[in-house]
Order: sequence, then C-alpha cells, then structure tokens
Amino acid sequence: QKEVEQDPGPLSVPEGAIVSLNCTYSNSAFQYFMWYRQYSRKGPELLMYTYSSGNKEDGRFTAQVDKSSKYISLFIRDSQPSDSATYLCAMRETSGSRLTFGEGTQLTVNP
Amino acid sequence: DSGVTQTPKHLITATGQRVTLRCSPRSGDLSVYWYQQSLDQGLQFLIQYYNGEERAKGNILERFSAQQFPDLHSELNLSSLELGDSALYFCASSGGLAGTETQYFGPGTRLLVL
Repeated sequence: QKEVEQDPGPLSVPEGAIVSLNCTYSNSAFQYFMWYRQYSRKGPELLMYTYSSGNKEDGRFTAQVDKSSKYISLFIRDSQPSDSATYLCAMRETSGSRLTFGEGTQLTVNP
Repeated sequence: DSGVTQTPKHLITATGQRVTLRCSPRSGDLSVYWYQQSLDQGLQFLIQYYNGEERAKGNILERFSAQQFPDLHSELNLSSLELGDSALYFCASSGGLAGTETQYFGPGTRLLVL
C-alpha cells in the first residue's frame, strides 16, 4: 500500500467551478503538508504549505488538513483555464526532509 | 522561474550507457534533492545533499550515485542504464538542512533510454 493515495483523475470542469482535490495518507508521522502544481513538462511549483491540522487560504486556493482522518484537500474557487495542470500533494515528517508525493491529479478547466 | 537550473533538458541514450545530470541550486541554498518521476511510480525521492554531504537516501538504485560540489552544484550519475530508467529527473533545493523550508524544483531532465 502506498503511503499517500491520490485519485489520478483526470478531472474536467467548466470555468468558474469549484474544484476539490484530495489525498489520504497512512503515515501518522507526517506533519507538513503541501500542494504542488505541475504544468506539462515543467517542474512542480509550490502552491500551499501547511503544518498539522487546519485550514489555510491564499487567494482562490484553500488547503485543509484533517490529521485525525489522515486526509488533506485543496479547493480551487472560480477555476480558470490557466489552472489546468497536474496537482500533487506532498507530505513530510517533522524529523525528515524527504517529500512523499501522491500520484497527482490531472485537472482540465474548460473555457 | 524557481531559480534552480538543470542540464541537459533532454537526454536520449542506449541501454547499458552512463549519463550525468547536472543541477545548480538557487543562490544561497545549501540543500539539494533529487527526485525521479515516472509514469508508474510518480514522483519519488532519491537522495539529499547538504553543503557537500549526503544527508538522506530514498529509493535510489545502486547503479545511481550523486555528489554535491564545493560550489554547491550537484550531479546525479546513472550507470548501466535500463529501459525502466526512462523518466523525468528533478532537482530541488532549499536553504537549510531539515527541509522545513520550501523545496524549489528545477525544470527537470527528461531521460529516454532506448
């Protein structure tokens, strides 16, 4: 079983929709949670970075972490065609530096 | 632009060959990380160097090795290449040792083994 599970999609939504992306994990030691966006043939770009449980908002993006359920989410409001990319969740233990990634969810926002 | 540079962008080689991938971290960053992204395995951590020393090892094959030089650039050496080594190889950098800082990723090197 993988440490981090993420629905690979693909996910296709109309412009303006609210998008929900999710990951589950099994390692209780994960304390830092990130969402990266990766455009085709490019390197991952950090979108959101959260520590432990709770919510964090940045513009149209909201990250949620529920450690009791081992579940994290990324919400994108008013989605735009420019949001079309693969979204990767990533996690890290407190004591380590390596990131463990989900498979990534491919999102297409249609104009 | 993350500030992390990787060369070459593309590499095509044959099975059994050896290649070297190069990474220059962001200015001032001391930690360099190497990741492999393949279709079936996703993005996987290979190895971390901090200020010239190996600090963490992940799922890196014995045929692969890395080093970080005094000017902080890093090289990933892949030898006895197999078809299954075809993947995107990313380098990331961060300022410190623990990795609590953001890891910034380079544009990657796309390796195709024929």
